[in-house]
Amino acid sequence: NAGVTQTPKFQVLKTGQSMTLQCAQDMNHEYMSWYRQDPGMGLRLIHYSVGAGITDQGEVPNGYNVSRSTTEDFPLRLLSAAPSQTSVYFCASTSDRGSYEQYFGPGTRLTVT
Amino acid sequence: AQSVTQLGSHVSVSEGALVLLRCNYSSSVPPYLFWYVQYPNQGLQLLLKYTTGATLVKGINGFEAEFKKSETSFHLTKPSAHMSDAAEYFCAVSAGGRRALTFGSGTRLQVQP
Repeated sequence: NAGVTQTPKFQVLKTGQSMTLQCAQDMNHEYMSWYRQDPGMGLRLIHYSVGAGITDQGEVPNGYNVSRSTTEDFPLRLLSAAPSQTSVYFCASTSDRGSYEQYFGPGTRLTVT
Repeated sequence: AQSVTQLGSHVSVSEGALVLLRCNYSSSVPPYLFWYVQYPNQGLQLLLKYTTGATLVKGINGFEAEFKKSETSFHLTKPSAHMSDAAEYFCAVSAGGRRALTFGSGTRLQVQP
């Protein structure tokens, strides 16, 4: 099992550009989430999905879009990048059974100039 | 709604000393509680989790935590710090059926030789 994979590992964008951060998992987990990590603020939930075709907003959804067309994939779209979106982004998945343990991807470090 | 407070953004201990990292949570329903560790430039690794049952939970690398409902706490301890324990530690809560986590702001542990 590869677990949770994220691409790219690093990305630099100019203000106003758009891009998609990819996330995939091979554990057949129903639940997937996106978090952003900023110094001194821990991880904050951007969007999450409870299954294919179902998504919902987290704490900090503005400027981001998600969709979930398959169980495996949960891409995060930045519609018009802003310097405030400079952050490290983590994708996670968890099973619909058991202890709610989240399995995290390795992260994407995004810089918006 | 749920929230997590980690007291002390930086904790410094000597090698061989007790490690105590504090976490208090707020939840209107019984929570699931987690401690994650993040080494520099890496993703998050689960240290331990509390779901139900025994309130003293043992994790990896000699860490343990005790769930105290009356104090709404889930402090992380290790009897003897190693240099390799230097990292950032995050407490997180999941409650009410929502699989996504709410994180504390993190505690950076420094271990002095």
